[in-house]
Amino acid sequence: QKEVEQDPGPLSVPEGAIVSLNCTYSNSAFQYFMWYRQYSRKGPELLMYTYSSGNKEDGRFTAQVDKSSKYISLFIRDSQPSDSATYLCAMSPWYGNNRLAFGKGNQVVVIP
Amino acid sequence: SQTIHQWPATLVQPVGSPLSLECTVEGTSNPNLYWYRQAAGRGLQLLFYSVGIGQISSEVPQNLSASRPQDRQFILSSKKLLLSDSGFYLCAWSPGLAETYEQYFGPGTRLTVT
Repeated sequence: QKEVEQDPGPLSVPEGAIVSLNCTYSNSAFQYFMWYRQYSRKGPELLMYTYSSGNKEDGRFTAQVDKSSKYISLFIRDSQPSDSATYLCAMSPWYGNNRLAFGKGNQVVVIP
Repeated sequence: SQTIHQWPATLVQPVGSPLSLECTVEGTSNPNLYWYRQAAGRGLQLLFYSVGIGQISSEVPQNLSASRPQDRQFILSSKKLLLSDSGFYLCAWSPGLAETYEQYFGPGTRLTVT
């Protein structure tokens, strides 16, 4: 079983819809959970990070972590064509650990 | 604010040729620095990381090496490139020893080995 699983997509949604992305993981030691956005031929951009379980909101983006199910989600409300990108989840067991575990990324296409 | 630079942006090199990719970070001091490779369909692979000048940790045995001659400079090198070295190389930094989960990536170098 891979450490982090992420459906590669692509996921196509109409503009204004809610985008729902998720990752599952196997390592119960993970404590920090990150979401990155990567536009084509660009470096990943850190969107947000969450410590342990719970929700975190930043504008149109909401990250959720359910450690009991080993499942994390990212929701994008009122999606825009500019949200079309690949979204990667990443995880770390503790602060000071330099090795992040990344998902392979989920491609999102928002159709105008 | 912090800025990370990588160059060149694109590189086409023949098999067996040397490689040198450079990464510099501005606006911070004592960052942790990272080199990743991203190959199509294979996700991000950590190659090297550094917690200080001259301190390099290698994650994957291969024909690549890394050096950190200055606090905010990280260099990825190879003496002889292989076809399998093709990919998108990304440099990243994190604020320090504790916030290593908070990694910020550069624009990347797309390397094609022919």
